[in-house]
Amino acid sequence: DIQMTQSPSSVSASVGDRVTITCRASQDIRSWLAWYQQKPGKAPKLLIVAATTLHSGVPSRFSGRGSGTHFTLTISGLQPEDFATYYCQQVNSYPHSFGQGTKLQIK
Amino acid sequence: EVQLVQSGAEVKKPGESLKISCKGSGYSFANYWIAWVRQMPGKGLEWMGILHSDDSDITYSPSFQGRVTISVDKSISTAYLQWSGLKASDAAMYYCARGAATIDGLDYWGQGTLVTVSS
Repeated sequence: DIQMTQSPSSVSASVGDRVTITCRASQDIRSWLAWYQQKPGKAPKLLIVAATTLHSGVPSRFSGRGSGTHFTLTISGLQPEDFATYYCQQVNSYPHSFGQGTKLQIK
Repeated sequence: EVQLVQSGAEVKKPGESLKISCKGSGYSFANYWIAWVRQMPGKGLEWMGILHSDDSDITYSPSFQGRVTISVDKSISTAYLQWSGLKASDAAMYYCARGAATIDGLDYWGQGTLVTVSS
């Protein structure tokens, strides 16, 4: 199975800041990576597919980069509604494992 | 409007059976995959398995193989997740989610079904 490791596990930032979250795969997953945002008590929401493609309706301040085993999610100009937990998921091979999550908190 | 509506919260005793559901609407149900995802209290997301709504092609995570059964009734656009003998460790929120292809992300999610297992 492919292991997905996110870093950091938590990060504190202020409104307007730029934040980058890293996701590493234990083996090559090409570009088959998705990113999700989850707020407390809510279902996750899809942000990015295929490592770099913004899902419909997702603000352009979100961006994804990477391929192979190293991926990043960057949020430029944090908004109050962006404080949440973020997960990466590899969809290259079964089981489609998730990273452990990164909690983005207000500083 | 695309919707996945899950069945309501359940309270069960260890050893009991349970089947929860996920009904899709607002799209062509048979053309999409449905995945099930577990989230234990205060923890992260765990991928349990995936099913194609048309041909019932199913793949389980090894972590859940033999512990749960995923099924579908495409005539009523509904996917299911079931247990034959619940354990306390099965207590969690369970989400269903839709994907257009196995290499796509999960673009629509159900609201979640909370399963409580307690004697």
